[in-house]
Amino acid sequence: GAVVSQHPSWVICKSGTSVKIECRSLDFQATTMFWYRQFPKQSLMLMATSNEGSKATYEQGVEKDKFLINHASLTLSTLTVTSAHPEDSSFYICSARRAQSYEQYFGPGTRLTVT
Amino acid sequence: RKEVEQDPGPFNVPEGATVAFNCTYSNSASQSFFWYRQDCRKEPKLLMSVYSSGNEDGRFTAQLNRASQYISLLIRDSKLSDSATYLCVVDGGGGFKTIFGAGTRLFVKA
Repeated sequence: GAVVSQHPSWVICKSGTSVKIECRSLDFQATTMFWYRQFPKQSLMLMATSNEGSKATYEQGVEKDKFLINHASLTLSTLTVTSAHPEDSSFYICSARRAQSYEQYFGPGTRLTVT
Repeated sequence: RKEVEQDPGPFNVPEGATVAFNCTYSNSASQSFFWYRQDCRKEPKLLMSVYSSGNEDGRFTAQLNRASQYISLLIRDSKLSDSATYLCVVDGGGGFKTIFGAGTRLFVKA
Protein backbone atom coordinates (compact mmCIF):
# COMPACT_ATOMS: atom_id res chain seq x y z
CA GLY A 1 0.00 0.00 0.00
CA ALA A 2 0.87 3.66 -0.04
CA VAL A 3 -0.87 5.46 2.76
CA VAL A 4 -0.26 9.07 3.67
CA SER A 5 -1.75 10.67 6.73
CA GLN A 6 -2.15 14.30 7.64
CA HIS A 7 -2.80 15.89 10.98
CA PRO A 8 -4.87 17.77 11.89
CA SER A 9 -7.69 17.24 9.41
CA TRP A 10 -9.06 20.65 10.22
CA VAL A 11 -8.00 23.58 12.35
CA ILE A 12 -9.41 26.96 13.27
CA CYS A 13 -6.98 29.55 14.54
CA LYS A 14 -6.87 33.24 15.27
CA SER A 15 -5.14 35.72 13.04
CA GLY A 16 -1.48 36.12 13.96
CA THR A 17 -0.98 32.64 15.36
CA SER A 18 1.04 29.83 13.80
CA VAL A 19 -0.26 26.44 12.74
CA LYS A 20 1.75 23.27 12.14
CA ILE A 21 0.50 20.54 9.81
CA GLU A 22 2.08 17.10 9.77
CA CYS A 23 2.31 14.77 6.82
CA ARG A 24 3.37 11.16 7.31
CA SER A 25 3.94 8.28 4.92
CA LEU A 26 2.74 5.30 6.92
CA ASP A 27 3.93 2.30 4.96
CA PHE A 28 6.70 3.53 2.70
CA GLN A 29 9.70 5.80 2.72
CA ALA A 30 9.03 9.13 1.07
CA THR A 31 12.16 10.68 -0.32
CA THR A 32 10.13 13.56 -1.69
CA MET A 33 7.08 15.25 -0.25
CA PHE A 34 4.99 18.00 -1.76
CA TRP A 35 2.75 20.62 -0.23
CA TYR A 36 -0.24 21.95 -2.12
CA ARG A 37 -2.92 24.49 -1.43
CA GLN A 38 -6.37 24.48 -2.94
CA PHE A 39 -8.94 27.25 -2.72
CA PRO A 40 -12.63 26.44 -3.27
CA LYS A 41 -13.45 25.47 -6.86
CA GLN A 42 -9.86 26.03 -7.93
CA SER A 43 -7.13 23.64 -8.95
CA LEU A 44 -4.29 22.37 -6.83
CA MET A 45 -1.46 24.82 -6.44
CA LEU A 46 1.97 23.43 -5.65
CA MET A 47 3.57 25.41 -2.86
CA ALA A 48 6.84 23.60 -2.33
CA THR A 49 8.77 20.40 -2.82
CA SER A 50 10.84 18.94 -0.04
CA ASN A 51 13.45 16.22 -0.14
CA GLU A 52 14.42 14.44 3.02
CA GLY A 53 17.30 16.12 4.75
CA SER A 54 17.49 19.17 2.51
CA LYS A 55 15.83 22.55 2.21
CA ALA A 56 12.50 22.80 0.50
CA THR A 57 12.16 24.27 -2.96
CA TYR A 58 9.38 26.85 -3.06
CA GLU A 59 7.28 27.76 -6.06
CA GLN A 60 7.30 31.31 -7.31
CA GLY A 61 5.16 33.57 -5.19
CA VAL A 62 5.20 31.35 -2.10
CA GLU A 63 6.89 33.01 0.87
CA LYS A 64 9.36 30.61 2.42
CA ASP A 65 9.49 32.58 5.66
CA LYS A 66 5.75 32.34 6.04
CA PHE A 67 5.35 28.70 5.07
CA LEU A 68 8.09 26.80 6.88
CA ILE A 69 8.67 23.28 5.67
CA ASN A 70 10.71 20.64 7.42
CA HIS A 71 11.33 17.18 6.01
CA ALA A 72 13.40 15.71 8.80
CA SER A 73 12.85 12.02 8.09
CA LEU A 74 11.77 9.69 5.31
CA THR A 75 8.29 9.47 6.77
CA LEU A 76 7.53 12.94 8.07
CA SER A 77 7.25 16.43 6.66
CA THR A 78 5.74 19.43 8.42
CA LEU A 79 4.32 22.68 7.13
CA THR A 80 4.07 25.58 9.54
CA VAL A 81 1.94 28.54 8.55
CA THR A 82 3.41 31.40 10.53
CA SER A 83 1.46 34.49 11.53
CA ALA A 84 -1.62 33.19 9.79
CA HIS A 85 -4.12 35.61 8.26
CA PRO A 86 -7.65 35.04 6.99
CA GLU A 87 -6.38 34.92 3.40
CA ASP A 88 -4.33 31.84 4.36
CA SER A 89 -7.57 29.95 4.95
CA SER A 90 -7.48 27.09 2.50
CA PHE A 91 -7.27 23.33 2.02
CA TYR A 92 -3.66 22.23 2.46
CA ILE A 93 -2.74 18.85 1.02
CA CYS A 94 0.53 16.98 1.16
CA SER A 95 1.68 14.17 -1.05
CA ALA A 96 4.57 11.76 -0.87
CA ARG A 97 6.63 9.95 -3.44
CA ARG A 98 9.02 7.02 -3.23
CA ALA A 99 12.53 7.22 -4.62
CA GLN A 100 12.73 6.73 -8.41
CA SER A 101 8.99 6.98 -8.82
CA TYR A 102 6.67 9.65 -10.17
CA GLU A 103 3.51 8.36 -8.51
CA GLN A 104 2.32 10.65 -5.74
CA TYR A 105 0.11 9.56 -2.88
CA PHE A 106 -1.89 12.24 -1.19
CA GLY A 107 -2.79 12.82 2.40
CA PRO A 108 -6.45 13.53 3.23
CA GLY A 109 -5.77 17.26 3.55
CA THR A 110 -6.04 19.85 6.29
CA ARG A 111 -8.73 22.48 6.20
CA LEU A 112 -7.38 25.67 7.77
CA THR A 113 -9.66 28.50 8.79
CA VAL A 114 -8.11 31.67 10.14
CA THR A 115 -10.50 33.99 11.95
CA ARG B 1 1.27 27.68 -23.31
CA LYS B 2 0.58 25.75 -20.10
CA GLU B 3 2.71 22.70 -19.43
CA VAL B 4 -0.36 20.52 -19.02
CA GLU B 5 -3.73 21.54 -20.43
CA GLN B 6 -7.14 20.06 -19.90
CA ASP B 7 -10.63 21.07 -20.91
CA PRO B 8 -12.13 22.23 -17.59
CA GLY B 9 -15.61 21.08 -18.59
CA PRO B 10 -17.93 20.47 -16.96
CA PHE B 11 -18.99 17.38 -18.83
CA ASN B 12 -22.59 16.52 -18.05
CA VAL B 13 -23.47 12.99 -19.15
CA PRO B 14 -26.27 10.54 -18.38
CA GLU B 15 -25.64 7.26 -16.60
CA GLY B 16 -24.38 4.62 -18.98
CA ALA B 17 -22.76 7.09 -21.35
CA THR B 18 -19.20 6.89 -22.60
CA VAL B 19 -17.12 9.96 -22.00
CA ALA B 20 -13.57 10.83 -23.03
CA PHE B 21 -11.14 13.40 -21.69
CA ASN B 22 -8.02 14.62 -23.40
CA CYS B 23 -4.96 16.25 -21.94
CA THR B 24 -2.06 17.82 -23.80
CA TYR B 25 1.44 18.34 -22.47
CA SER B 26 4.20 20.57 -23.74
CA ASN B 27 7.42 18.82 -22.72
CA SER B 28 8.39 16.15 -25.23
CA ALA B 29 10.85 14.71 -22.69
CA SER B 30 8.05 13.70 -20.31
CA GLN B 31 8.04 9.98 -19.61
CA SER B 32 5.44 9.30 -16.94
CA PHE B 33 1.74 10.02 -17.15
CA PHE B 34 -1.12 9.52 -14.76
CA TRP B 35 -4.79 10.19 -14.25
CA TYR B 36 -5.95 11.16 -10.78
CA ARG B 37 -9.47 11.59 -9.52
CA GLN B 38 -10.49 14.22 -6.99
CA ASP B 39 -13.85 14.28 -5.28
CA CYS B 40 -15.25 17.50 -3.90
CA ARG B 41 -13.39 18.59 -0.75
CA LYS B 42 -11.19 15.50 -0.83
CA GLU B 43 -7.63 14.75 -1.78
CA PRO B 44 -6.67 13.49 -5.28
CA LYS B 45 -6.38 9.74 -5.65
CA LEU B 46 -4.39 7.89 -8.24
CA LEU B 47 -6.77 6.41 -10.81
CA MET B 48 -4.32 4.87 -13.23
CA SER B 49 -0.92 5.21 -14.79
CA VAL B 50 -0.74 5.67 -18.54
CA TYR B 51 1.62 3.42 -20.43
CA SER B 52 2.87 3.70 -23.98
CA SER B 53 0.86 0.67 -25.00
CA GLY B 54 -2.27 2.00 -23.38
CA ASN B 55 -3.94 0.35 -20.45
CA GLU B 56 -7.36 -0.65 -19.31
CA ASP B 57 -8.82 -1.08 -15.87
CA GLY B 58 -12.43 -2.18 -15.94
CA ARG B 59 -14.49 0.64 -17.43
CA PHE B 60 -11.49 2.95 -17.68
CA THR B 61 -9.05 3.07 -20.59
CA ALA B 62 -6.04 5.35 -20.82
CA GLN B 63 -4.10 6.06 -23.98
CA LEU B 64 -0.88 7.90 -24.72
CA ASN B 65 -0.03 9.58 -28.01
CA ARG B 66 3.58 10.71 -27.85
CA ALA B 67 3.67 12.13 -31.36
CA SER B 68 0.85 14.54 -30.61
CA GLN B 69 1.74 14.84 -26.94
CA TYR B 70 -1.59 14.03 -25.45
CA ILE B 71 -3.10 11.45 -23.18
CA SER B 72 -6.71 10.43 -22.95
CA LEU B 73 -9.05 8.80 -20.49
CA LEU B 74 -12.14 6.94 -21.63
CA ILE B 75 -14.87 6.03 -19.19
CA ARG B 76 -17.46 3.52 -20.39
CA ASP B 77 -20.86 2.86 -18.86
CA SER B 78 -20.64 5.92 -16.61
CA LYS B 79 -21.89 5.59 -13.05
CA LEU B 80 -23.18 8.30 -10.75
CA SER B 81 -20.14 7.62 -8.58
CA ASP B 82 -17.84 8.61 -11.44
CA SER B 83 -18.79 12.24 -10.85
CA ALA B 84 -15.55 13.95 -9.86
CA THR B 85 -12.72 16.07 -11.19
CA TYR B 86 -10.18 14.17 -13.27
CA LEU B 87 -6.62 15.42 -13.12
CA CYS B 88 -4.02 14.77 -15.78
CA VAL B 89 -0.50 14.47 -14.38
CA VAL B 90 2.75 14.50 -16.30
CA ASP B 91 6.35 14.40 -15.21
CA GLY B 92 8.43 17.46 -15.97
CA GLY B 93 10.91 15.66 -18.21
CA GLY B 94 13.61 15.11 -15.59
CA GLY B 95 14.34 16.06 -12.02
CA PHE B 96 11.22 14.29 -10.77
CA LYS B 97 9.05 17.36 -11.04
CA THR B 98 5.39 16.45 -11.45
CA ILE B 99 2.92 18.73 -13.17
CA PHE B 100 -0.82 18.63 -12.57
CA GLY B 101 -3.41 19.81 -14.99
CA ALA B 102 -6.22 21.99 -13.69
CA GLY B 103 -8.67 19.13 -14.00
CA THR B 104 -11.83 18.26 -15.92
CA ARG B 105 -15.11 18.14 -14.03
CA LEU B 106 -17.50 15.31 -14.77
CA PHE B 107 -21.12 15.13 -13.66
CA VAL B 108 -22.97 11.89 -14.29
CA LYS B 109 -26.73 12.27 -13.99
CA ALA B 110 -29.41 9.68 -13.40
